Amino acid sequence: AQSVTQLGSHVSVSEGALVLLRCNYSSSVPPYLFWYVQYPNQGLQLLLKYTTGATLVKGINGFEAEFKKSETSFHLTKPSAHMSDAAEYFCAVSDSYGGSQGNLIFGKGTKLSVKP
Amino acid sequence: KAGVTQTPRYLIKTRGQQVTLSCSPISGHRSVSWYQQTPGQGLQFLFEYFSETQRNKGNFPGRFSGRQFSNSRSEMNVSTLELGDSALYLCASSLAQGVKTEAFFGQGTRLTVV
Repeated sequence: AQSVTQLGSHVSVSEGALVLLRCNYSSSVPPYLFWYVQYPNQGLQLLLKYTTGATLVKGINGFEAEFKKSETSFHLTKPSAHMSDAAEYFCAVSDSYGGSQGNLIFGKGTKLSVKP
Repeated sequence: KAGVTQTPRYLIKTRGQQVTLSCSPISGHRSVSWYQQTPGQGLQFLFEYFSETQRNKGNFPGRFSGRQFSNSRSEMNVSTLELGDSALYLCASSLAQGVKTEAFFGQGTRLTVV
């Protein structure tokens, strides 16, 4: 069975500081990994995804994540936080054998606060 | 183009009642999935439909059901509502099945069971 653990339900950073949101996964098959963002009263928006190929994945709004198989991690980073980055972030995994983005296992989420 | 539309946005129901939620996918999208989001359990997969056929189902009781119509619109139904069914129900649509096709989420229907 697959699972996702996001370390830290709340993360607070200052504007301009590095954002680091942690995600570890468990999967018995090669995983496909995703990061989504959710703003208040909104649905989820895909930030980036790893399927195959390059392990460093760049997404929208300056975010990137690196797939590290040996550490079973897919941490999300952004060099410089902006006030508009305040939201909840979800890491998700899908089964690469017949999986789809319509059938995802999500982590519990990390709420990011950005202080001026 | 229009995004994923979920109706209604907010709903209040009484325990024991049933409810039907609707999802209109992005035009041309044939895959629709449903998720339940609660503070305690987080985001949990309910089911996925593609071309009117249920392709995957999450670990929810039989009170939760869904269907997809020929125009790809989808409905989910919850019968005999319980307080614990209070949640944000999210629908996502994608062009096709497969992990490389992005899923686009609607804003959700917030169901409150009293």
